[in-house]
Amino acid sequence: GEEVAQTPKHLVRGEGQKAKLYCAPIKGHSYVFWYQQVLKNEFKFLISFQNENVFDETGMPKERFSAKCLPNSPCSLEIQATKLEDSAVYFCASSQSRAASNYGYTFGSGTRLTVV
Amino acid sequence: AQKITQTQPGMFVQEKEAVTLDCTYDTSDPSYGLFWYKQPSSGEMIFLIYQGSYDQQNATEGRYSLNFQKARKSANLVISASQLGDSAMYFCAIGGGFKTIFGAGTRLFVKA
Repeated sequence: GEEVAQTPKHLVRGEGQKAKLYCAPIKGHSYVFWYQQVLKNEFKFLISFQNENVFDETGMPKERFSAKCLPNSPCSLEIQATKLEDSAVYFCASSQSRAASNYGYTFGSGTRLTVV
Repeated sequence: AQKITQTQPGMFVQEKEAVTLDCTYDTSDPSYGLFWYKQPSSGEMIFLIYQGSYDQQNATEGRYSLNFQKARKSANLVISASQLGDSAMYFCAIGGGFKTIFGAGTRLFVKA
C-alpha cells in the first residue's frame, strides 16, 4: 500500500506489562525506522532496518526494547516490563533509501502507548 | 554525532505574511541531507522539503523554501504567504549514515 500502517492506534498497559507495536511499511521501501515522541517533543531515534537486517540500533534501550522486521510480516517493536516513562507516541517510518535522500520518510500515524 | 538545534519554541505570524523558522546543525559527515517536517495537531508527520549538502541551490517546494547556508551550518525554513492551515509544529532534521535526527521543533501559530 501507499501508507505506513501502524497498529494499534492506542495501547494501554499496566506498569511491568509487555507492549507490542506493529508497522507495515510501504511496499517497495527497504528501510524502516522507529522513533519515540514524548509529549509532542522531539523525536528520539530508536532503531532502523534495511529489510530484515538491523541497520542502526544506537537509540534502543536494549534491556527492555527489542524490534524485528521479518520477511512477509509487519515489523514489530516490543517493550518488556513497561515503565511509566515509556508512555509516548511511537512512530514508524519507511523510506526507499537510508537517510540522506530527497525522498524523506513516510511516517505512519503512530501508536500512542500509555503506561499506567 | 549529528545534532539539530531549533531555538524558537514558538513563533507567531500574521496570515499572508512570510515567516522564517530557524535551524542549525552539526555533523562530521561529509554528505548529509537536511529535512523539514510538519506535524499538525492531528499528530501525523508530513515531509515538506529536502536539501542535500552538496546542492548548490536552495530547495523550494511551493510556498516552502530552505535557506541553506553551509558555512554557517544553518538550514532555515521560509514559509511564504502563511495560511491558517500552516499552524503546526515544524521539525528540522538531519540525515546521514543510517538514521535521521530531529530537532526539538518550533510551534508556529498563524493569526487571522
